Amino acid sequence: GQNIDQPTEMTATEGAIVQINCTYQTSGFNGLFWYQQHAGEAPTFLSYNVLDGLEEKGRFSSFLSRSKGYSYLLLKELQMKDSASYLCAVRDSGYSTLTFGKGTMLLVSP
Amino acid sequence: NAGVTQTPKFRVLKTGQSMTLLCAQDMNHEYMYWYRQDPGMGLRLIHYSVGEGTTAKGEVPDGYNVSRLKKQNFLLGLESAAPSQTSVYFCASQTPDGQPQHFGDGTRLSIL
Repeated sequence: GQNIDQPTEMTATEGAIVQINCTYQTSGFNGLFWYQQHAGEAPTFLSYNVLDGLEEKGRFSSFLSRSKGYSYLLLKELQMKDSASYLCAVRDSGYSTLTFGKGTMLLVSP
Repeated sequence: NAGVTQTPKFRVLKTGQSMTLLCAQDMNHEYMYWYRQDPGMGLRLIHYSVGEGTTAKGEVPDGYNVSRLKKQNFLLGLESAAPSQTSVYFCASQTPDGQPQHFGDGTRLSIL
């Protein structure tokens, strides 16, 4: 099975940088995904790591260390619209299923 | 290009009633999924399908049935609804090569 931990809530200020951590213990691993979910809406894909290291996508970056079972999502130049829930998900070794963490609610204040 | 479409968007049921939720995707994706999302619990996989005519159980399958008669459609059935099934249900689809899953807008289901 999969066990995925991420903080429940975080707060940050507009223009700042925030790092959301995710740790996992899994029986199989074939990639880690980050999704963003605004209240009342569907999750949308942000970033994906399958190999160790940093993936950068504009204001968003994601890092993975497979040996440590650890990932983080880095959000730079925070905007009010970044207030949302951020979901960490681990894909199984067969490519067929994702297991999601409980999500981190990020509140960006002026 | 609609992506993943879920029907209905909202529904209120009484305990013991049955209903079917429909998920349709127009991206020709092989894999389809049904999740439920509850406060403090995150997204949990109910059932999934890796191709037409195939289904498999996820983490929380009890009380639900599914069918994948056509590649583009994945149906989730509740035979006898219970208050514990009050939730937001999301459908998703993906290609077999590991690309990200695409989600529908969700169905908000309340069971009284």
